[in-house]
Amino acid sequence: AQKVTQAQTEISVVEKEDVTLDCVYETRDTTYYLFWYKQPPSGELVFLIRRNSFDEQNEISGRYSWNFQKSTSSFNFTITASQVVDSAVYFCALELFKTSYDKVIFGPGTSLSVIP
Amino acid sequence: GAGVSQTPSNKVTEKGKYVELRCDPISGHTALYWYRQSLGQGPEFLIYFQGTGAADDSGLPNDRFFAVRPEGSVSTLKIQRTERGDSAVYLCASSSDRAGTQYFGPGTRLLVL
Repeated sequence: AQKVTQAQTEISVVEKEDVTLDCVYETRDTTYYLFWYKQPPSGELVFLIRRNSFDEQNEISGRYSWNFQKSTSSFNFTITASQVVDSAVYFCALELFKTSYDKVIFGPGTSLSVIP
Repeated sequence: GAGVSQTPSNKVTEKGKYVELRCDPISGHTALYWYRQSLGQGPEFLIYFQGTGAADDSGLPNDRFFAVRPEGSVSTLKIQRTERGDSAVYLCASSSDRAGTQYFGPGTRLLVL
């Protein structure tokens, strides 16, 4: 079975605090992609990052960083020095593709509130 | 450049009616996807097109749902005999090819009364 779990339903932090959003995935496929998307109150899904299953290097982009650990099937997302504009729902997703299909399986999302 | 666009942005209909939701992908993107997002949940895959053909429609919930992409660009999601449970945000995404990142449109909010 393929599944994405985001155990944290809602998180509240005070501005400038660091926050980590957890993501655990399940798949038997050896080739897949992992994503994070941000969905602000406006509703549009904003792409943040894509990693393929063969690249476990951690990535940093400004205040955002991602920790991919295949051994624990996790792809966690950390926001450093959070800002009010970071308030949104964040989705972790798993993309599987073979000859006959290509689909993205989303987690349930984590709602992040950054309080000024 | 222009992103994925979807029309209408909102649609209110009555139970039993037929609706069509339109998606304009990013120009040149060959892969197109439809998802449904219910309140408080993540998007759920419905169907994937590569060019004009539906390569994977395993996510369509039942035969009331149908989607087309006749010229390999614009796609229409069609829902017959709508039910209150169909109320959700319908999201469209496109990618440059099936291995490319999916970029999402703003969605169509469907409300079935």
